[in-house]
Amino acid sequence: DQQVKQNSPSLSVQEGRISILNCDYTNSMFDYFLWYKKYPAEGPTFLISISSIKDKNEDGRFTVFLNKSAKHLSLHIVPSQPGDSAVYFCAASGTISNFGNEKLTFGTGTRLTIIP
Amino acid sequence: DTEVTQTPKHLVMGMTNKKSLKCEQHMGHRAMYWYKQKAKKPPELMFVYSYEKLSINESVPSRFSPECPNSSLLNLHLHALQPEDSALYLCASSLHYRGTYQPQHFGDGTRLSIL
Repeated sequence: DQQVKQNSPSLSVQEGRISILNCDYTNSMFDYFLWYKKYPAEGPTFLISISSIKDKNEDGRFTVFLNKSAKHLSLHIVPSQPGDSAVYFCAASGTISNFGNEKLTFGTGTRLTIIP
Repeated sequence: DTEVTQTPKHLVMGMTNKKSLKCEQHMGHRAMYWYKQKAKKPPELMFVYSYEKLSINESVPSRFSPECPNSSLLNLHLHALQPEDSALYLCASSLHYRGTYQPQHFGDGTRLSIL
């Protein structure tokens, strides 16, 4: 049962344009949502997160939007740069404890290619 | 540069061998995690340690044995593994909750191959 889904395995975008990566989830108990970026032969790198009480969070070129009623989130990258070419994973976490030992459930990933 | 260091980067072992994977962080994080990632699949949680105590075991076979000797170090002991255990093993760590979400930070992983 895939609770976090990324339905687009790949996406190609021209340099300078906007990249939009999408993610859907089924578990309404998820409280935090994150995006990670992964280069080959490296571990995932944290990009940005959003709490379920918000609908938007922005950090530089990266903005994450959350639509709780649709159980959908998206990552916008603008402008897209060649260094953004990587696999992007959406992840979700339940309510966290004071110990910070929450479980992350990952989506299957979207390979983003930025075309110069 | 990753602040979570995993060694070795690559490991090839036979099904009868015993080996260990090591993970180290010096960020003062008190939660540490082991994930397994198969090719073209997302990372899947195996174990979570919180304040050096095992808090989550995702029904992992006993041929994988985690250990947290101190707050900076996390080991994964391997014994009698099967070919299907070949995968990328990722370690992560995170701060305890401080009123705002503290994300997990990942190492670059150990690529494990079982012959």
